[in-house]
Amino acid sequence: DGGITQSPKYLFRKEGQNVTLSCEQNLNHDAMYWYRQDPGQGLRLIYYSQIVNDFQKGDIAEGYSVSREKKESFPLTVTSAQKNPTAFYLCASSIGQRKNNEQFFGPGTRLTVL
Amino acid sequence: GEDVEQSLFLSVREGDSSVINCTYTDSSSTYLYWYKQEPGAGLQLLTYIFSNMDMKQDQRLTVLLNKKDKHLSLRIADTQTGDSAIYFCAESPGGYNKLIFGAGTRLAVHP
Repeated sequence: DGGITQSPKYLFRKEGQNVTLSCEQNLNHDAMYWYRQDPGQGLRLIYYSQIVNDFQKGDIAEGYSVSREKKESFPLTVTSAQKNPTAFYLCASSIGQRKNNEQFFGPGTRLTVL
Repeated sequence: GEDVEQSLFLSVREGDSSVINCTYTDSSSTYLYWYKQEPGAGLQLLTYIFSNMDMKQDQRLTVLLNKKDKHLSLRIADTQTGDSAIYFCAESPGGYNKLIFGAGTRLAVHP
């Protein structure tokens, strides 16, 4: 089955700790994205990557970091510098480099800071 | 600037049609999208429309685009309880790398 997987589904973190969210895709897509979703709001773009070994900041990159060492993987680290990290995090991918930017989403990770 | 607006809530009776509206600001958007999100899940692409089209129909779904007014709508015919979800409108402004999402419309279907 082709698709996007995110793990874990639920994650709890103590204040001051870094935590890494996993995102893997086997769709052979070049582009991958991380979004944050808060209640009553749309999705906000954190980081995106159009190709391996390259990534760009989105609208709310502060307090987050990413890497793209492999085409199929785009992990997101939520650092202690992120002041309000409790949210639902969604990873997506797309073929990339074309005007129809149809994105496919993973099931999400809900992060709660205790 | 880039902005997508949707009403936050819609309630319909089972069997009726639902119409979810969206306005966007970027006239360079070549594709516009509708996504569905069920509770605790990721987003599922329902349909998209190319900006040179006025209408697109796919089974129970009809998308209407008024490019002059930058208005997009999604009509769901014969709405069922399984259609209860949050529906997001999104635009792809000009480039290849971003989708701009609205805040989502929560559709509640009641008997």
